[in-house]
Amino acid sequence: GAVVSQHPSRVICKSGTSVKIECRSLDFQATTMFWYRQFPKKSLMLMATSNEGSKATYEQGVEKDKFLINHASLTLSTLTVTSAHPEDSSFYICSADRDSSTDTQYFGPGTRLTVL
Amino acid sequence: GESVGLHLPTLSVQEGDNSIINCAYSNSASDYFIWYKQESGKGPQFIIDIRSNMDKRQGQRVTVLLNKTVKHLSLQIAATQPGDSAVYFCAESFSGTYKYIFGTGTRLKVLA
Repeated sequence: GAVVSQHPSRVICKSGTSVKIECRSLDFQATTMFWYRQFPKKSLMLMATSNEGSKATYEQGVEKDKFLINHASLTLSTLTVTSAHPEDSSFYICSADRDSSTDTQYFGPGTRLTVL
Repeated sequence: GESVGLHLPTLSVQEGDNSIINCAYSNSASDYFIWYKQESGKGPQFIIDIRSNMDKRQGQRVTVLLNKTVKHLSLQIAATQPGDSAVYFCAESFSGTYKYIFGTGTRLKVLA
C-alpha cells in the first residue's frame, strides 16, 4: 500500500498562535511531499513542494514565512502555520510521491484548521 | 494560466447505472492524468491514472478515457453504487515536475 497520515486531524487555535501539522508516509519513503490547501467546496491548491534535506519550493502567492515547511526525513514533512489568523482557517492536505518514476501522489486524510 | 476544468459540477445517477464524469484540460504538454475521489472531510483517494501514450485504461469498475485531440479526460464508473457518492477530481501533470493541477471537481450523487 501507500499510506500517508496526518496529525492532527482537527485543530482549533486562537488568533496569533502557531500550529504545526505533520505528514508521514507510513509504508514508504518519500523524497518529495506536497502541501495543499482546500477551501469548502473548492479544489485543491498546491502551496508548496517539500523536498527532503532541502528548502521547500513555494507556489506563487504563498508566504514562505507564514507557512514554514520542514522535511527532515524521508517519512516526515511538517507544515507550521505561524501567527495564524481566521483567514488561515482551511483544510490542509499533504501528499507524498512514493515512486518518482510513476509521478503518482498519495494523499493524507487532511487537517481541518480553525482559527478563532 | 493553464487550468483543468470540469463540465458538470454535480452529477446525479441512479444506483446501478453507469456514471461518466468529464474533465477538460488546457495544457497540451501534460502527459500524466489522474482521477481522485474525495469524500467529505477526507483526503483524495487515488482511483486511476493514465499516461498520454494511452487513450484508455481500465480498472475495477472504472475506465478512464483520454482524448488528446480535444484535451478531454473522462472517468466512467460502471454499476454505480451508493458508496461511489463523493467529489471526483481530475488532475494533470507533466512528467518530472511532480506537480499536479487539479480540476474544480464534480460531485457525484447516487440515487437509491
